[in-house]
Amino acid sequence: QQPVQSPQAVILREGEDAVINCSSSKALYSVHWYRQKHGEAPVFLMILLKGGEQKGHEKISASFNEKKQQSSLYLTASQLSYSGTYFCGTVIMDSNYQLIWGAGTKLIIKP
Amino acid sequence: EPEVTQTPSHQVTQMGQEVILRCVPISNHLYFYWYRQILGQKVEFLVSFYNNEISEKSEIFDDQFSVERPDGSNFTLKIRSTKLEDSAMYFCASRWTGGTEAFFGQGTRLTVV
Repeated sequence: QQPVQSPQAVILREGEDAVINCSSSKALYSVHWYRQKHGEAPVFLMILLKGGEQKGHEKISASFNEKKQQSSLYLTASQLSYSGTYFCGTVIMDSNYQLIWGAGTKLIIKP
Repeated sequence: EPEVTQTPSHQVTQMGQEVILRCVPISNHLYFYWYRQILGQKVEFLVSFYNNEISEKSEIFDDQFSVERPDGSNFTLKIRSTKLEDSAMYFCASRWTGGTEAFFGQGTRLTVV
C-alpha cells in the first residue's frame, strides 16, 4: 500500500526546476505533500483531493491524476530553502483515512 | 495558532525499561497518529487512533506498544520493554477529517542505551 516516490534524490542548482512523483496501486482519496528538513518534524505543503485538481503554494505546485493514482510535485526556480526530504502521503479510499507515507525524495539545492 | 505538543523532547532510557511518550493533539481533531523515524530513514507509520480505539496499526506496532487517550487531551504511546532498535524520533500527529492536513508535533527523540 505504500506509495512509490521517484526519484529517490535530486541535486539542483539554485533556480532550477524539479518534479517529484508519487504513485499508488490503490484508488486514492487524497494525496498529501510534506517537506522535512534534517532534525525537524515534517511540515505540511498541500493536499490534493480526488478530482484531478492542481494546487499551488508560492513556487511549489502539485497535480493529482485520479485515473492514474499519481501525484506530482513541481518546484520551480528552486531556492536554497527548498532543500529537504519531500514525502508524499496517500489516503486510500475506504481505508478509514489511514495516511501512508512514501519513502521520500531527498532534494539538495546548491548555490 | 494551534499546535500539537509532545513531551519530553528527548528521553534516554535503559534497555528493558518502559517509556511513555506524551502528545497533546489539537483540541478539535478526531484522528491521531504515531510515527517513528529512525535516524536517516523514512517516517514509518505505527498506529492510528479514532473514536477512542485503534483504527489501523503497522507490523511495527507489536505487543510491546500500546496507545491510550487517558483523558480528553492527552494521547500517549507506551513502549513496555524498550530495545536498542527502538531508538528513534517519535512523531505524534493529529487531523480533523480525512481531507485535511495532519499537524505534526516536534517529536520526541528516544535513545535506548
